[in-house]
Amino acid sequence: DTGVSQNPRHKITKRGQNVTFRCDPISEHNRLYWYRQTLGQGPEFLTYFQNEAQLEKSRLLSDRFSAERPKGSFSTLEIQRTEQGDSAMYLCASHRGGLADTQYFGPGTRLTVL
Amino acid sequence: AQSVTQLGSHVSVSEGALVLLRCNYSSSVPPYLFWYVQYPNQGLQLLLKYTSAATLVKGINGFEAEFKKSETSFHLTKPSAHMSDAAEYFCAVRSYNNNDMRFGAGTRLTVKP
Repeated sequence: DTGVSQNPRHKITKRGQNVTFRCDPISEHNRLYWYRQTLGQGPEFLTYFQNEAQLEKSRLLSDRFSAERPKGSFSTLEIQRTEQGDSAMYLCASHRGGLADTQYFGPGTRLTVL
Repeated sequence: AQSVTQLGSHVSVSEGALVLLRCNYSSSVPPYLFWYVQYPNQGLQLLLKYTSAATLVKGINGFEAEFKKSETSFHLTKPSAHMSDAAEYFCAVRSYNNNDMRFGAGTRLTVKP
């Protein structure tokens, strides 16, 4: 257990539905990242927060995706109008600061879009 | 832009044999390099990282990696494989001026009894 938690662990939804995932980072970590991992691939960066500010977004993050970190603590990732191509593992990671610092990963939320 | 290439999507070794997982990176600025391990249905766990200090880095579970700038490599090794080492291993690179960490496609390690 790294101290980063994600809920739910699994989500099955029908195409076109909206889904929301939650990440609770380690409490003193001010930086939070979302990644997407598809089968047989490494994690791909989606977006990054420093405290409550979303500082970077990947081109992978289409308009259907939105992420928030309202109080600089937990974060949510919402996908609207899900598509089958959204099926993946969504990973959250946090670290205290400094690019050499270790990112601690949560267990992930596995999304299946039917 | 930085990137990582992991040579060999699958590596199989016998228990007690040397483990060698290959990683080559590309970065226009001095990189930070990481190896993570992922067990089925779990998140990633850091094995070790290179942050411009010693070029030979020791990590958890007996793993180590050597940063070779001339070869742009950061291969992961373990002298003697254990059955519990069977997992997916990811190499990752990040540069000092970029928050974006890039992962390789991963290498699945199988350990035969």
